[in-house]
Amino acid sequence: KQEVTQIPAALSVPEGENLVLNCSFTDSAIYNLQWFRQDPGKGLTSLLLIQSSQREQTSGRLNASLDKSSGRSTLYIAASQPGDSATYLCAITGANSKLTFGKGITLSVRP
Amino acid sequence: ETGVTQTPRHLVMGMTNKKSLKCEQHLGHNAMYWYKQSAKKPLELMFVYNFKEQTENNSVPSRFSPECPNSSHLFLHLHTLQPEDSALYLCASSPDSTRRELFFGEGSRLTVL
Repeated sequence: KQEVTQIPAALSVPEGENLVLNCSFTDSAIYNLQWFRQDPGKGLTSLLLIQSSQREQTSGRLNASLDKSSGRSTLYIAASQPGDSATYLCAITGANSKLTFGKGITLSVRP
Repeated sequence: ETGVTQTPRHLVMGMTNKKSLKCEQHLGHNAMYWYKQSAKKPLELMFVYNFKEQTENNSVPSRFSPECPNSSHLFLHLHTLQPEDSALYLCASSPDSTRRELFFGEGSRLTVL
């Protein structure tokens, strides 16, 4: 059974800092990995999708990497802004098409 | 129009009421999902529909009854719920159930009194 862990549960940083959010998983037989953003009381917005054959994806100030051998993914946010404050969730689609979510990391960027 | 639309956004109901949540997607996808999100828990998958057919039921109590009349619409009928069913219910769609590249709606916040 796939387990997805996101540690720490919460993170507070000053504006302008570059930061890395971590996601670890136990089963490397994955189909893809997605990073989502969720604002309080809202739905999830897809940020980046990495297919199993890929190592990273970039969108603007965001860069996500995937290392299946070590069971890790990172979401790098450059030059963080207060508007980046949200919960970031990692989700993995296994080879059996099952999607497993982590509990998320709640990020607060202080002005 | 947004890709996945959920109504209502907020719902308060008593334990004896019957209500329904609605989800509509405009992305041309063939798979639709209901998720439950409770405080401090990971998202819980409830149901999966692929080409209108239910393919997964994640041991959801029968007081939750899904309906998928076509690939664009998904309903969740609610009946005799419990206070612990209060949560954010999220609908999502994907191209099909093997390519789980999910697009979510804004959610329906349900409070059961």
